[in-house]
Amino acid sequence: DTAVSQTPKYLVTQMGNDKSIKCEQNLGHDTMYWYKQDSKKFLKIMFSYNNKELIINETVPNRFSPKSPDKAHLNLHINSLELGDSAVYFCASSQDVRGGYTFGSGTRLTVV
Amino acid sequence: QQQVKQSPQSLIVQKGGIPIINCAYENTAFDYFPWYQQFPGKGPALLIAIRPDVSEKKEGRFTISFNKSAKQFSLHIMDSQPGDSATYFCAARYSGAGSYQLTFGKGTKLSVIP
Repeated sequence: DTAVSQTPKYLVTQMGNDKSIKCEQNLGHDTMYWYKQDSKKFLKIMFSYNNKELIINETVPNRFSPKSPDKAHLNLHINSLELGDSAVYFCASSQDVRGGYTFGSGTRLTVV
Repeated sequence: QQQVKQSPQSLIVQKGGIPIINCAYENTAFDYFPWYQQFPGKGPALLIAIRPDVSEKKEGRFTISFNKSAKQFSLHIMDSQPGDSATYFCAARYSGAGSYQLTFGKGTKLSVIP
């Protein structure tokens, strides 16, 4: 059973389109995250969210928005896609007190 | 800006060697220091972690050494194997204002040659 699952695994789309990436965790964790991994493998936090608070990295463009229908899901919506948005996006979850993150397998987004 | 500086960027060792990856941090409020291992096409996976009140932690062939006064920590892989070839990330957690976000180092690509 996959602990943190993301769909789709690959996403190729044209500039200007709007797309969504879905994430679900079955670990019962309190907090979920979105990270962006660029071509140099650098992992950068985009959002963290629990049922109380959304924390947004101030450098993330407002074209990106997280949506959480419930505690087990945190989807990522991206409007007006740009070439620079091409990257691998990882969803993760954690039970805050214990600290360890569990990552999904990633979504490779390619904007053409 | 909370930063974690990781070195080297890449590392090649022979099978059986002991690769060492180093990380340094600035924020003394960091309270949890994990290492993640990432294989191509996969998400990072938690390998081992340490808290700042401990100077060393060992799990199997993986050891974290932690120097609180120097604000440095390192990962040692004993008897390295080709299957250890992956990208390794150190990270540090700041727990404040209800946030538990991890800040990652830039990663070290390890290649273990048979």
